[in-house]
Amino acid sequence: KAGVTQTPRYLIKTRGQQVTLSCSPISGHRSVSWYQQTPGQGLQFLFEYFSETQRNKGNFPGRFSGRQFSNSRSEMNVSTLELGDSALYLCASSLSGQAILNEQFFGPGTRLTVL
Amino acid sequence: AQSVTQLGSHVSVSEGALVLLRCNYSSSVPPYLFWYVQYPNQGLQLLLKYTSAATLVKGINGFEAEFKKSETSFHLTKPSAHMSDAAEYFCAVSHFGNEKLTFGTGTRLTIIP
Repeated sequence: KAGVTQTPRYLIKTRGQQVTLSCSPISGHRSVSWYQQTPGQGLQFLFEYFSETQRNKGNFPGRFSGRQFSNSRSEMNVSTLELGDSALYLCASSLSGQAILNEQFFGPGTRLTVL
Repeated sequence: AQSVTQLGSHVSVSEGALVLLRCNYSSSVPPYLFWYVQYPNQGLQLLLKYTSAATLVKGINGFEAEFKKSETSFHLTKPSAHMSDAAEYFCAVSHFGNEKLTFGTGTRLTIIP
């Protein structure tokens, strides 16, 4: 069974640009969550999608957005990139909406560098 | 609001020695607690989770953790460290009905040969 895949694995952008990251969950999983990992702030929750609906959102500015498609694949978009957006972006998928019941499986992440 | 605090950003132990990674939680509702491990250039992998069924939880790779409500702690232990245990470990908290995980700042574990 294939794991969570994230594309691209590495990305370099310049300030002011926008970027789209993609996440393909494990087959059958309907929940996709996104996290930002930085050395200074650690792992921070961005948002969670379940059956194409955003169900939960972290404390990030509106420049960070996402969506989920009918096949459960998810994308996140960051507009007007800032230097501080440089981070590892992790995607996690699970069967349903409760971490206590279903394990969240994490992808390898997309390393975004903003110059 | 919920949060976890991991004491010690770096821990070093000798191969074969006891591993103890500390995690304390704060939660206004019954917490559900998790330990994840992250190897270099990889995503996170679940080691174990506490969901109120039993206070002593056994996980993969010989790790276990004990939920102590009186101490608001969920420390991770392993009796005998192995070189392959070198990684970063994250404690996380969630609560019923919520997929969101709130992570601690992580503890980097180094194993000394």
